Amino acid sequence: AQKVTQAQTEISVVEKEDVTLDCVYETRDTTYYLFWYKQPPSGELVFLIRRNSFDEQNEISGRYSWNFQKSTSSFNFTITASQVVDSAVYFCALNTGGFKTIFGAGTRLFVKA
Amino acid sequence: DAGVTQSPTHLIKTRGQQVTLRCSPKSGHDTVSWYQQALGQGPQFIFQYYEEEERQRGNFPDRFSGHQFPNYSSELNVNALLLGDSALYLCASSLETSGSGYNYEQYFGPGTRLTVT
Repeated sequence: AQKVTQAQTEISVVEKEDVTLDCVYETRDTTYYLFWYKQPPSGELVFLIRRNSFDEQNEISGRYSWNFQKSTSSFNFTITASQVVDSAVYFCALNTGGFKTIFGAGTRLFVKA
Repeated sequence: DAGVTQSPTHLIKTRGQQVTLRCSPKSGHDTVSWYQQALGQGPQFIFQYYEEEERQRGNFPDRFSGHQFPNYSSELNVNALLLGDSALYLCASSLETSGSGYNYEQYFGPGTRLTVT
């Protein structure tokens, strides 16, 4: 069975703090893709990153970075120097082939000024 | 470049009624997926349409049906509405990548918020 777990329901930080959002996934497939999406209050899901199972290199994009570790089935997302505009719900998702993407329950991030 | 559009934005229906939601994919995309997002939860896959056919379905009853038109736009129909169908319905479009089966980059629309009373 495939599953994505985001254990943190809500996180609250003060602006400029670093914050890490955790994601643990389950799959028996050896080939799969992992994603992170941001959902601001407007509701539209915004694609942030895609990572395939054969590429464990960490990635950095501006203030965002991702740590993919197959040994622990984790794909964590870190925001450095958080800003108020980062306040949103963040979803981790898994696609193991086929056409279905499985989403975690999401982590709501509050960044206070 | 137009993104994914959905209509209507909000909808209020009564139990037992039927509803049709519409989605226009991002320009150049040929695949449309529908998701249901209940309050406080992640999106749940309903089904995906490609070449006017449903090619995979999530764990949703037959009350949920869809259609894809030759211009790649899509409709989601829900019959015999239940209170539990109240949710944000998201449409996502992507470009089929040589039958690989992976939704590489799904672009999501703003969603239709359905309230069933």
